[in-house]
Amino acid sequence: NFMLTQPHSVSASPGKTITVSCTGSGGSIADNFVQWYQQRPGSAPIIVIFDDDQRPSGVPDRFSGSIDRSSNSAYLTISGLKTEDEADYYCQSYDLSDSWVFGGGTKLTVL
Amino acid sequence: EVQLVQSEAEVKKPGESLKISCTGSGYGFVSYGISWVRQLPGKGLEWMGRIDPSDSYTNYSPSFRGRVTISVDKSTSTAFLQWSSLEASDTAVYYCARHDDSGTWGQGTLVIVSS
Repeated sequence: NFMLTQPHSVSASPGKTITVSCTGSGGSIADNFVQWYQQRPGSAPIIVIFDDDQRPSGVPDRFSGSIDRSSNSAYLTISGLKTEDEADYYCQSYDLSDSWVFGGGTKLTVL
Repeated sequence: EVQLVQSEAEVKKPGESLKISCTGSGYGFVSYGISWVRQLPGKGLEWMGRIDPSDSYTNYSPSFRGRVTISVDKSTSTAFLQWSSLEASDTAVYYCARHDDSGTWGQGTLVIVSS
């Protein structure tokens, strides 16, 4: 069965760039679109990237998504970090039965 | 505006039953599936299952099959998640979401199960 693995945490200073990985196992990451969600404490998740690399309206262009078939991974990159970016980030995709699959989440700390 | 609005928080005792709701508006409700997602305190997101309102087809995660029931009422554009016998380990926030890549989620329903 298809699984997604994320690093537990990542940290960086304001203004820097970070990349969060989401590695697939039990299938190809490229078989289905990947979404990225941002979740702040006490709030519902908000989508920041859909369909691998598309940004919803209202999401700053500091957020970008990509797929790398060679590493079977999806990546979320946030440039020009701001303190407001501090949150948990989850990748999400689908398995063969159209079920949702979530990564375990990555806690971003902006120091 | 496309939105999903969930029912209010619930406090229940172990062994009690519960049905929480998720009402869609601003779009063709029967055209999109509804997923339910659990978030245990301090933990990540877990997909529980989904329902297609057009035909009530359901697909459950093996982790939740037999523990919960997902249903829908097309006439009120509402999806439901229910338990017949709650356990303390069901204490969590439950989110409904449109089963697509739109990022349309409800605000979450906190369920507390405690004696």
